[in-house]
Amino acid sequence: AQKVTQAQTEISVVEKEDVTLDCVYETRDTTYYLFWYKQPPSGELVFLIRRNSFDEQNEISGRYSWNFQKSTSSFNFTITASQVVDSAVYFCALSEPPLGGKLTFGQGTILTVHP
Amino acid sequence: GAGVSQSPSNKVTEKGKDVELRCDPISGHTALYWYRQSLGQGLEFLIYFQGNSAPDKSGLPSDRFSAERTGGSVSTLTIQRTQQEDSAVYLCASSLGPGLAGGPSTDTQYFGPGTRLTVL
Repeated sequence: AQKVTQAQTEISVVEKEDVTLDCVYETRDTTYYLFWYKQPPSGELVFLIRRNSFDEQNEISGRYSWNFQKSTSSFNFTITASQVVDSAVYFCALSEPPLGGKLTFGQGTILTVHP
Repeated sequence: GAGVSQSPSNKVTEKGKDVELRCDPISGHTALYWYRQSLGQGLEFLIYFQGNSAPDKSGLPSDRFSAERTGGSVSTLTIQRTQQEDSAVYLCASSLGPGLAGGPSTDTQYFGPGTRLTVL
């Protein structure tokens, strides 16, 4: 069965620190998709990134970077030089085509960035 | 362009009443999903619509929950005889879909702001 684990329930950092959010997943499929979403205090889930299982290239977007490693079934997310506006709940999610594309979410990591 | 919209944003109801929650997907998106977010259960899938195909209802927690999608666009999630454990934020998402060979959508899902349901 599909499963996503975000072992870090809460992380607290001071502004300008780098922070990595961990995500480990389980799936029986060879084709799957991984996502990260951000949920700020306003409550709306904001899409950050989508990767398919055949593309293990790491990606960088501004202060955000993602490290996808199939060998360890991990899809970790790093924020460089964190800012107060990064404070939010971050969700990792897994989608498997045979299951209709519905998302299986991790429990989320609450990130608090202090000034 | 306009994103996914949901109404109402907040709904307070008494135990035993029926409620209807509405979702208006992004124009042109053929796939529509409902999820529920609660403190104890996190984010959980409820139901999925793809075009004119039969919906995937595998996530609905009980037969008090139902949903329909009219004209391939707007969707309504109905909860009958609400219980206190139904209190949660109900999120709707849409994606471009369908997938390869008309199969399930694997596109990115974009979420609405949610409806916060409180059952007293």
